[in-house]
Amino acid sequence: GAVVSQHPSWVICKSGTSVKIECRSLDFQATTMFWYRQFPKQSLMLMATSNEGSKATYEQGVEKDKFLINHASLTLSTLTVTSAHPEDSSFYICSANYFGRAEAEQFFGPGTRLTVL
Amino acid sequence: AQTVTQSQPEMSVQEAETVTLSCTYDTSESDYYLFWYKQPPSRQMILVIRQEAYKQQNATENRFSVNFQKAAKSFSLKISDSQLGDAAMYFCAYRRFYNTDKLIFGTGTRLQVFP
Repeated sequence: GAVVSQHPSWVICKSGTSVKIECRSLDFQATTMFWYRQFPKQSLMLMATSNEGSKATYEQGVEKDKFLINHASLTLSTLTVTSAHPEDSSFYICSANYFGRAEAEQFFGPGTRLTVL
Repeated sequence: AQTVTQSQPEMSVQEAETVTLSCTYDTSESDYYLFWYKQPPSRQMILVIRQEAYKQQNATENRFSVNFQKAAKSFSLKISDSQLGDAAMYFCAYRRFYNTDKLIFGTGTRLQVFP
């Protein structure tokens, strides 16, 4: 149980295009999903916290209009990188928690590697 | 603001030996959780062990155990009988009590295991 999937696992796009990354909790409902960005050999940097049915909360320094987050249901959150540029190339990871289990840990997706040419 | 510090960028251990990874944190909260996550080359984050701050007993999971010192705000991970598969990045993380709160990660420790 507690599986989180991400799609796609990797994507290459041209500069100026938009890319959507999906994060799904496959066998549980998630109250909250989190989006992270990770550069090579660095730690995870939280970008935003996504709650079902409400606006995402972005961390300081993260451009809301650049990284659009939608949490349409208790099992799906999407991250759209708009007008992507080479500096947006990174590894993006989502995580989700169990709805109704305040003490439970977050479960992580396998990540999405984005390369912007 | 809460912070997590991992002062060892890299560690190495010989197979079957024991290694300890260090982590310190800062918080004014009394109830919280601490975690160790493993990130192998696949980059999938894997939970290694979890400690609830209100529990005095140190958590253990098979070959993995922690030394949780609440007053000192220290949370080290001990890996016994190290295996080649233990080679990975290890991240210490802090979270306030509720799982709707975000994880705060340390900078990570890269563990190498030599045969």
